[in-house]
Amino acid sequence: QSVLTQPPSVSAAPGQTVTIPCSGSDSNIGNNYVSWYRQLPGTAPKLLIYDNNKRPSGIPDRFSGSRSGTSATLGITGLQTGDEADYYCGTWDTRLSVYVFGTGTKVTV
Amino acid sequence: EVQLVESGGGLVQPGGSLRLSCAASGFTFSSCSMNWVRQTPGRGLEWVSYISSSSSNIYYADSVKGRFTISRDNAKNSLFLQMDSLRAEDTAVYYCARRPIIALGIPFDYWGQGTVVTVSS
Repeated sequence: QSVLTQPPSVSAAPGQTVTIPCSGSDSNIGNNYVSWYRQLPGTAPKLLIYDNNKRPSGIPDRFSGSRSGTSATLGITGLQTGDEADYYCGTWDTRLSVYVFGTGTKVTV
Repeated sequence: EVQLVESGGGLVQPGGSLRLSCAASGFTFSSCSMNWVRQTPGRGLEWVSYISSSSSNIYYADSVKGRFTISRDNAKNSLFLQMDSLRAEDTAVYYCARRPIIALGIPFDYWGQGTVVTVSS
């Protein structure tokens, strides 16, 4: 059972904005950097956001990340049909000494 | 171009063993910490193990601790996962993933294509 909680699904129309929350605790999100990943069916996950709010090269600025207290949020603006995928948050848990992923959120456009 | 290519997956009986390999290229392997992550069909991601660049720090998920062993050979740009006492619940796609040097946290910026492990009698 994951220690990071995400809503199972979110949906919005093309061109709109969605936000995906990731809820944790002091031992993980509260004191460690958060990453976000997108996974299309049948493919490996892809890094979208790292260190809470940084985008790797090639990731458009439609994707943004933030962290406040023990929660993190991924934002996607200008939704496209190609954004339909599963999204996961992830971070290190200092108390457990393990890396933890969120439960995953399916985005429907 | 950064590439990670896993191999070694397959069908194994409960209680058996498998050794996964991940061949790395396109970057300075010896400078990067590496991870194994797995995904059960239709389910989410589960981190399995982490090894630092020099192998001085190693961590495991509780679900595999004592049964799996991560290792690396920097001279051969290779990462390994020795899996012993396999259980049905270890059935999954196994990915190797790199942690970039520039990150403050532990993101995984490059992933392999995955190798399938099936534990069944």
